Amino acid sequence: GENVEQHPSTLSVQEGDSAVIKCTYSDSASNYFPWYKQELGKRPQLIIDIRSNVGEKKDQRIAVTLNKTAKHFSLHITETQPEDSAVYFCAASENTNAGKSTFGDGTTLTVKP
Amino acid sequence: GAVVSQHPSWVICKSGTSVKIECRSLDFQATTMFWYRQFPKQSLMLMATSNEGSKATYEQGVEKDKFLINHASLTLSTLTVTSAHPEDSSFYICSARPLGSGRIDEQYFGPGTRLTVT
Repeated sequence: GENVEQHPSTLSVQEGDSAVIKCTYSDSASNYFPWYKQELGKRPQLIIDIRSNVGEKKDQRIAVTLNKTAKHFSLHITETQPEDSAVYFCAASENTNAGKSTFGDGTTLTVKP
Repeated sequence: GAVVSQHPSWVICKSGTSVKIECRSLDFQATTMFWYRQFPKQSLMLMATSNEGSKATYEQGVEKDKFLINHASLTLSTLTVTSAHPEDSSFYICSARPLGSGRIDEQYFGPGTRLTVT
């Protein structure tokens, strides 16, 4: 089955700095890679996703890059704000639907004001 | 639109008892719902896929006799934790996929249920 590894497990940045979270996956059949933000005790929220036919996707301060050959993808948050503080999960799934995704272990991001 | 609710939001039960958690899609129909478990400071682990009108599909390592799933209607799936033990204490989250959705990314998460077994 799919195995997703996520690094770092914790990340602390100063407000305004950039944050980068990296994930690797093992199953070359995976072709959908969502990123979720989860605040303590709340539901995960999809913040951005990328499909295997695209190398990069951007949405305002958030961008995701995908390297299919190396089987890794990354989340980039620029101009971080305190409200970006949360746990971020990457995930990978194979052409079925996001519900069947395998999740990374999460990164706790803290943005210091 | 696309709201998923869970009930209860938190529950405390004694070891050996059973607990039922409901997952409802409030404004759409869902043939497929997913149940996840999340231990503190850990990732979401898919437990099972709940299909309306048929048996749930369980992930490897998940005991189907312990975690009973019933998807009796297009808006309701239930997860019953039978003979609960303290190690079952966790955050249980469901998600729902709208009927007929062809989008790979379309799923809506419930707010989660915090189960504590004493």
